[in-house]
Amino acid sequence: GEKVEQHESTLSVREGDSAVINCTYTDTASSYFPWYKQEAGKSLHFVIDIRSNVDRKQSQRLIVLLDKKAKRFSLHITATQPEDSAIYFCAASGMNYNQGKLIFGQGTKLSIKP
Amino acid sequence: EAAVTQSPRSKVAVTGGKVTLSCHQTNNHDYMYWYRQDTGHGLRLIHYSYVADSTEKGDIPDGYKASRPSQENFSLILELASLSQTAVYFCASSDWDSSYEQYFGPGTRLTVL
Repeated sequence: GEKVEQHESTLSVREGDSAVINCTYTDTASSYFPWYKQEAGKSLHFVIDIRSNVDRKQSQRLIVLLDKKAKRFSLHITATQPEDSAIYFCAASGMNYNQGKLIFGQGTKLSIKP
Repeated sequence: EAAVTQSPRSKVAVTGGKVTLSCHQTNNHDYMYWYRQDTGHGLRLIHYSYVADSTEKGDIPDGYKASRPSQENFSLILELASLSQTAVYFCASSDWDSSYEQYFGPGTRLTVL
């Protein structure tokens, strides 16, 4: 089955700099790749996603890049702010959107230093 | 706004006891999911459902049962709780056919002693 690996378990960047979180997946048929954010002590909420028919998507300070050949996707957070501090999870859908199932990575704890 | 609630928010159970975690959504979503979160493992899917009165096994279903008596309600049942089931459990819902976003509940912290 699909496996999603999140490469950085922790990441620390200075406020105002960019942060990049990388994920790889194994199933070439995966076609949907969302990102979720979990602030300390809270639940997860959706932040951005990308589908396999494009290789770049931007929403304000968030950019997602998808490299289908390398089976890799990444979340770029530009001009980081203290409120960006959280755990970020990448996920992949697997083949044919897999009945709504997502396979999550292990999470990356992002810390923004003042 | 989409709303998913879970009860209880935390629970301490004894080994071998029965535990029921409840989830309620007011989003009118067909799909509902139960995940567990352990440090270093991210979220892992236990059971899910895409229609009332039917449930499907996720990636780690052993030791868990699920029940979907209505579109709004989805329960996770641990018939014989074990120490290894200590974790945070999240319920989520989605309208997968039109939007792939999953809406998560606040989580239930379960400690099995």
